[in-house]
Amino acid sequence: QKEVEQNSGPLSVPEGAIASLNCTYSDRGSQSFFWYRQYSGKSPELIMFIYSNGDKEDGRFTAQLNKASQYVSLLIRDSQPSDSATYLCALAADRGSTLGRLYFGRGTQLTVWP
Amino acid sequence: EAGVAQSPRYKIIEKRQSVAFWCNPISGHATLYWYQQILGQGPKLLIQFQNNGVVDDSQLPKDRFSAERLKGVDSTLKIQPAKLEDSAVYLCASSLGDWEGNYGYTFGSGTRLTVV
Repeated sequence: QKEVEQNSGPLSVPEGAIASLNCTYSDRGSQSFFWYRQYSGKSPELIMFIYSNGDKEDGRFTAQLNKASQYVSLLIRDSQPSDSATYLCALAADRGSTLGRLYFGRGTQLTVWP
Repeated sequence: EAGVAQSPRYKIIEKRQSVAFWCNPISGHATLYWYQQILGQGPKLLIQFQNNGVVDDSQLPKDRFSAERLKGVDSTLKIQPAKLEDSAVYLCASSLGDWEGNYGYTFGSGTRLTVV
């Protein structure tokens, strides 16, 4: 079983600040990682994926992966109230018959206040 | 392309009753997943299909849950009899199944089940 741990928060930041969301995982062999955003009452929405060590940037979002430390993070720059949501970290089964299966953390609730 | 379609959006039933959920994946997607998301938790995989065959149902409570994917397209998930702890959102997702690059997948809008 692949464990994914997230600080459930809640995390509260002011508008314009950087929000930092963290995730650790148990399976050292994991290769692919995802961040999903979930608004209240809605289904999860994929916002970032990363599978190489280092940083990956997409607009205001930066995903960081450190496989040696088994650590994934998501930075949201210039946070906006519309970023207020629960952020789910997930890793994928990369091999075998369950290829594609996602293992999710519990999520971190982020609130961005004006 | 059209997304993953699910119905119904909401369902309220009494415990011990039965309920069924329907999922229509993105056209051409070979792999279909059903996840259960209990309030305050991340989604948990219930069952994974590859075409019309079951790949992984290790987390499916088989004494009460069943799922099928006839003709490798649409899928139904059934609960009989329902328990209070089955109250959750049931999410369906699909993917091509060829993992050249692992880009994640899109979920349907989900079915919110409340068991009273």
